[in-house]
Amino acid sequence: EVQLVESGGGFVQPGGSLRLSCTASGFTFSSYWMHWVRQPPGKGLVWISRINRDGSTTTYADSVKGRFTISRDNAKNTLYLQMNSLRVEDTAVYYCAKTYDWNYWFDPWGQGTLVTVSS
Amino acid sequence: DIVMTQSPDSLAVSLGERATINCKSSQSVLYSSNNKNYLAWYQHKPGQPPKVLIYWASTRESGVPDRFSGSGSGTDFTLTISSLQAEDVAVYSCQQFYSTPPTFGGGTRVEIK
Repeated sequence: EVQLVESGGGFVQPGGSLRLSCTASGFTFSSYWMHWVRQPPGKGLVWISRINRDGSTTTYADSVKGRFTISRDNAKNTLYLQMNSLRVEDTAVYYCAKTYDWNYWFDPWGQGTLVTVSS
Repeated sequence: DIVMTQSPDSLAVSLGERATINCKSSQSVLYSSNNKNYLAWYQHKPGQPPKVLIYWASTRESGVPDRFSGSGSGTDFTLTISSLQAEDVAVYSCQQFYSTPPTFGGGTRVEIK
């Protein structure tokens, strides 16, 4: 069974940092692009970052560029999101998801991990 | 960025009746070289991750009941649930994957009347 499991969410003060992880199983992790998508409370889904199969190419939404870093370890079947300089507006459920190529639909998604940024 | 606009924000439909959700993109998501619309539909139930229902605007994902169908091309798309079942209560979102950043509609909440 294809599965993605996120971890690392929690409560952090503005300006703080968190690192999210997404562990993959049931498929050849290194063959797929991986993404982070978030959903703020009561709002819609927002794509924030993607990384190619070997980790050499990354892309970010303007809202997180310069603050967040996506990376992957194909030997560990794990995707990461390092989040620095966190803001209240970064509060959201963060999902990881895979795509066959950069411009494909997201399938599947992990169950999500909640990040709360508040003073 | 391509803006995806869904309507309505919510709708209540009787069991067994049809539910229709619309999605409009601010620019065409039809790729002329392969004649494919880069548009997907997701179902999102509380406490669960989103699940893809439809991709290429009208191709049903494996295992998705055939009461779900997608149609449209260019900038205007529709998700139809032909006969609403209790388990279909969820938020439905469209998403374009034609260009970066991929963008989502705001979601449509479907409830039982």
